[in-house]
Amino acid sequence: DVKVTQSSRYLVKRTGEKVFLECVQDMDHENMFWYRQDPGLGLRLIYFSYDVKMKEKGDIPEGYSVSREKKERFSLILESASTNQTSMYLCASRLIGLHFEQFFGPGTRLTVL
Amino acid sequence: SQQGEEDPQALSIQEGENATMNCSYKTSINNLQWYRQNSGRGLVHLILIRSNEREKHSGRLRVTLDTSKKSSSLLITASRAADTASYFCATVDVLSGGYQKVTFGTGTKLQVIP
Repeated sequence: DVKVTQSSRYLVKRTGEKVFLECVQDMDHENMFWYRQDPGLGLRLIYFSYDVKMKEKGDIPEGYSVSREKKERFSLILESASTNQTSMYLCASRLIGLHFEQFFGPGTRLTVL
Repeated sequence: SQQGEEDPQALSIQEGENATMNCSYKTSINNLQWYRQNSGRGLVHLILIRSNEREKHSGRLRVTLDTSKKSSSLLITASRAADTASYFCATVDVLSGGYQKVTFGTGTKLQVIP
């Protein structure tokens, strides 16, 4: 079975801190994604990566950056956390190709105080 | 921007009834997928329908796709309390450069009352 893991289920940080969210997948998937999920807004795409060292901005990249140094790992970085970044963060991976599903991690609920 | 918009936002039914959720999208797509999310968890893939398909079945799930109306529906028949979850549609777009962007809708929250 594909497994996507995220470094933390719950995280509490202070405004201005630099925050790292890690995601690891074990099935050699080329594509990886970071979403944030907020009530009433569904899942919004922050960044995605189609291969190692490659990244593309999603719909809401402001305030975030990403790193993909190894195929299995995709990191989301909040350079200077703000309270409006309090959210559920979901990582996903999939094979390259049009008809493949995404596999999701369990999510990280981040609270910025 | 949101590619998919689900309707209704919330749905409450009795166990044994059918549940229907709709999804509308804006641009042309290659395929559309439905996912389920239990509270506080990641999403799980349910079913994929390609743009050249009109209907697809998987167990108690039935998905339809109308590309002329840019809409899809998910029907869950004979619902069970365990079907209580949020359901999302997702579209796969191929961007210039060949990148595949997966975009989700806002979701329908289904409650099945035992």
